[in-house]
Amino acid sequence: QKEVEQDPGPLSVPEGAIVSLNCTYSNSAFQYFMWYRQYSRKGPELLMYTYSSGNKEDGRFTAQVDKSSKYISLFIRDSQPSDSATYLCAYEKTSYDKVIFGPGTSLSVIP
Amino acid sequence: KAGVTQTPRYLIKTRGQQVTLSCSPISGHRSVSWYQQTPGQGLQFLFEYFSETQRNKGNFPGRFSGRQFSNSRSEMNVSTLELGDSALYLCASSPSGVTFHEQYFGPGTRLTVT
Repeated sequence: QKEVEQDPGPLSVPEGAIVSLNCTYSNSAFQYFMWYRQYSRKGPELLMYTYSSGNKEDGRFTAQVDKSSKYISLFIRDSQPSDSATYLCAYEKTSYDKVIFGPGTSLSVIP
Repeated sequence: KAGVTQTPRYLIKTRGQQVTLSCSPISGHRSVSWYQQTPGQGLQFLFEYFSETQRNKGNFPGRFSGRQFSNSRSEMNVSTLELGDSALYLCASSPSGVTFHEQYFGPGTRLTVT
C-alpha cells in the first residue's frame, strides 16, 4: 500500500463550484498535514497546514483532517479560473524527520 | 521579502557529466530542502540542511549530494548524470524551528539529461 494516495484527476468544474480534493494515507505517525498548489512550470505554493484532526479555514479554502480514517480534504469555495492548478497533499511525520507528498490532483475551473 | 531563488532555471547536460544547482533561501530562513519532481515519481525529498549540516536525507543514491554555506545558501550536486535524472529540481526554505510543514519553494531548475 502506498503511503499517500490521491486521485490524479483531471478534475474539471464550472466557475463558482465547490471543489473537494482528497488524500488518504497509511502511516498513523503523520502529524502535520499540508496542502500545496502548483501552477504549471512553477514551484509548489503552500496553501495551509494543520496539526492533528479538525478543520482549518483560510479565505475560500478549508482543510479538513480525519486522523481516525487517515483521510484529509481540501475544499475550495466559489472556485475561480485562477484556481486551475495541481494540488498536492503532503504529510510530515515529526519535525526534522520525513515528509511525503501525494502525486497531485489536476484541477481545471472552467469560466 | 524576496522569495526563494534558484539558478539556473534550465539546464541541458549529457550523460556522465556532473551538475551543480544553486538555491538562495528567503532571508532569515536557515533550513533548506531539496526535492526532485518527475511525472512518474512525483515530488520526492532529497535532503535537508540546517546551519550548514545535513539533517535529513531521502532515498537517493550517493551521486546526489549537497551543501549549505554560512549565509544559508545551498548547492546541490549530481555526479555521473543518468537519463533518469531529468527532472525539475526544487529547493524550499523554512523558518527556523520549523522544517517541513511550512516550506516555501523556489521556481525550480529544469534539468534535461541527453
